[in-house]
Amino acid sequence: ETGVTQSPTHLIKTRGQQVTLRCSSQSGHNTVSWYQQALGQGPQFIFQYYREEENGRGNFPPRFSGLQFPNYSSELNVNALELDDSALYLCASSPGQGLGEQYFGPGTRLTVT
Amino acid sequence: GENVEQHPSTLSVQEGDSAVIKCTYSDSASNYFPWYKQELGKRPQLIIDIRSNVGEKKDQRIAVTLNKTAKHFSLHITETQPEDSAVYFCAATTAGSGNEKLTFGTGTRLTIIP
Repeated sequence: ETGVTQSPTHLIKTRGQQVTLRCSSQSGHNTVSWYQQALGQGPQFIFQYYREEENGRGNFPPRFSGLQFPNYSSELNVNALELDDSALYLCASSPGQGLGEQYFGPGTRLTVT
Repeated sequence: GENVEQHPSTLSVQEGDSAVIKCTYSDSASNYFPWYKQELGKRPQLIIDIRSNVGEKKDQRIAVTLNKTAKHFSLHITETQPEDSAVYFCAATTAGSGNEKLTFGTGTRLTIIP
């Protein structure tokens, strides 16, 4: 096991609602990245946090936002949910230090109806 | 930005035979290339990686090769076993750049036929 945990496992929301997903990074890792994986696709980068600061963002609208806490855990918030937001949301932690390695959590399956 | 292409999208091989999955990337600044295995309903699992200062890396039945000039890298699995059946993703990033986002390929569904 990689040590990265996510909650909840599954979530069903209605279009227009807001959702918060949580991630606990592996011990000793100070960098957290979030990815969206649509069915049958590769993960798409949403953003990355390093020491509580956003450290890069992919092509996602501002209604996707995040936080990283002093213990390096992280949250992904999505406002005004759309049907296309239905996907597996993956968090990955890395030790930083410019090594590039990222270890994924089990993901949160979000369904928007 | 980086673009990663992966082929084939599906691959079926007889148990015991070898499987090869190929990826190309576009950004010459990319220097770290991991491979992930994702079983149905599970997390992507890092199985092997290679950095741009190395041409080949091997770990038991799995090997990865990198051709920086041609901007392509490949995953080789020898003596395939049923438990190798999964979706495999290649990825690329510029490690040490300050923004180490992974750009993934579209995945290869590998099926091992007993």
